[in-house]
Amino acid sequence: DAMVIQNPRYQVTQFGKPVTLSCSQTLNHNVMYWYQQKSSQAPKLLFHYYDKDFNNEADTPDNFQSRRPNTSFCFLDIRSPGLGDAAMYLCATSRGRAANEKLFFGSGTQLSVL
Amino acid sequence: AQSVTQLDSHVSVSEGTPVLLRCNYSSSYSPSLFWYVQHPNKGLQLLLKYTSAATLVKGINGFEAEFKKSETSFHLTKPSAHMSDAAEYFCVVSESYNQGGKLIFGQGTELSVKP
Repeated sequence: DAMVIQNPRYQVTQFGKPVTLSCSQTLNHNVMYWYQQKSSQAPKLLFHYYDKDFNNEADTPDNFQSRRPNTSFCFLDIRSPGLGDAAMYLCATSRGRAANEKLFFGSGTQLSVL
Repeated sequence: AQSVTQLDSHVSVSEGTPVLLRCNYSSSYSPSLFWYVQHPNKGLQLLLKYTSAATLVKGINGFEAEFKKSETSFHLTKPSAHMSDAAEYFCVVSESYNQGGKLIFGQGTELSVKP
């Protein structure tokens, strides 16, 4: 049973055209994360929500925004995608923010920018 | 600041032979350490985690890792590789700070398993 669901699996957008990626969870976890993973690289945290509290990483570009309308859903908005934003975007959840928390990852959305 | 170094970018083994994926960490206090696995075009799955209990940690699919503080290492092992083990493996250290936990990923080790 899928617990963290990302849609779509593959997304193609045009240079500069806004795009939204979706994530939903059935775990009722408090924390939701968005990671960016470029080819052959480690995932990089963009931001996370603890409940409704938004936490942006210092080096996340302003081009990336996020929304969490309720516990189950979280969206990643890329306002003006550039070629360098082509990557796998991973959504993850955790019950809390303790150091030993297990993260549950979705299967990711592979974004291509033409 | 915490960091993690995976010593091999690629490891190749034959099916049925042991697997060793090496990881060293740097931490100013007792870390939480994890190994995650990522199969092609899939999300990450937790294999095992160390959180200051037993130093030998057993995970899923026959994997285990040993925390060695004196060597600042957390190497991942499996006695006998299976074809389905072919994947990317990430060693991860968790950084806990005022605003919540944060994962620091190693660069990953790609494991290939030959028939």
